[in-house]
Amino acid sequence: DTEVTQTPKHLVMGMTNKKSLKCEQHMGHRAMYWYKQKAKKPPELMFVYSYEKLSINESVPSRFSPECPNSSLLNLHLHALQPEDSALYLCASSRQWGNYGYTFGSGTRLTVV
Amino acid sequence: QQQVKQSPQSLIVQKGGISIINCAYENTAFDYFPWYQQFPGKGPALLIAIRPDVSEKKEGRFTISFNKSAKQFSLHIMDSQPGDSATYFCAASDNAGNMLTFGGGTRLMVKP
Repeated sequence: DTEVTQTPKHLVMGMTNKKSLKCEQHMGHRAMYWYKQKAKKPPELMFVYSYEKLSINESVPSRFSPECPNSSLLNLHLHALQPEDSALYLCASSRQWGNYGYTFGSGTRLTVV
Repeated sequence: QQQVKQSPQSLIVQKGGISIINCAYENTAFDYFPWYQQFPGKGPALLIAIRPDVSEKKEGRFTISFNKSAKQFSLHIMDSQPGDSATYFCAASDNAGNMLTFGGGTRLMVKP
């Protein structure tokens, strides 16, 4: 298995809703990442988990809450989002945190209404 | 501060032509330079990567050229095909745990 699987593929949520994005990999990678990508822009790093511990939080608002239940799973809990949070949310993993090739999932297209 | 600058922002090439995308970096600690290909609605996919101990790496129609002294690297797509139409991102990272730093992206269109 050489994939990063993200669910759901599409999500529409209201500003008062609570939802979660899920990411799964079975490559034995020990680093997992959440990125946010706006249209026509490169991915922007949000969070890094290394060996299931949160290592980097790129000053992300608290309405985004990451969770890493085990080495294969990464969640992103969403609450009270704003319309400007609408974007493609990408999960990625790598063998180690740092300079190894990242494998990205196909992303969740989030629309906040 | 944009640490990896990518050009051009968009590129139109005829089928069979050569597509060339350039990137320049500032951080001399970078030691890993991947290129990602992204189709609409999909995540970036690793295309090819190079380390600074080699000046060129070729995989099929894709070649990375690397100039360490100039702090520049480029992607050449030979015999470009309509199926190559996508957005290409260069990136860089170092082994000190720094994050993957992306260039701004190039939207490539290959005309039949």
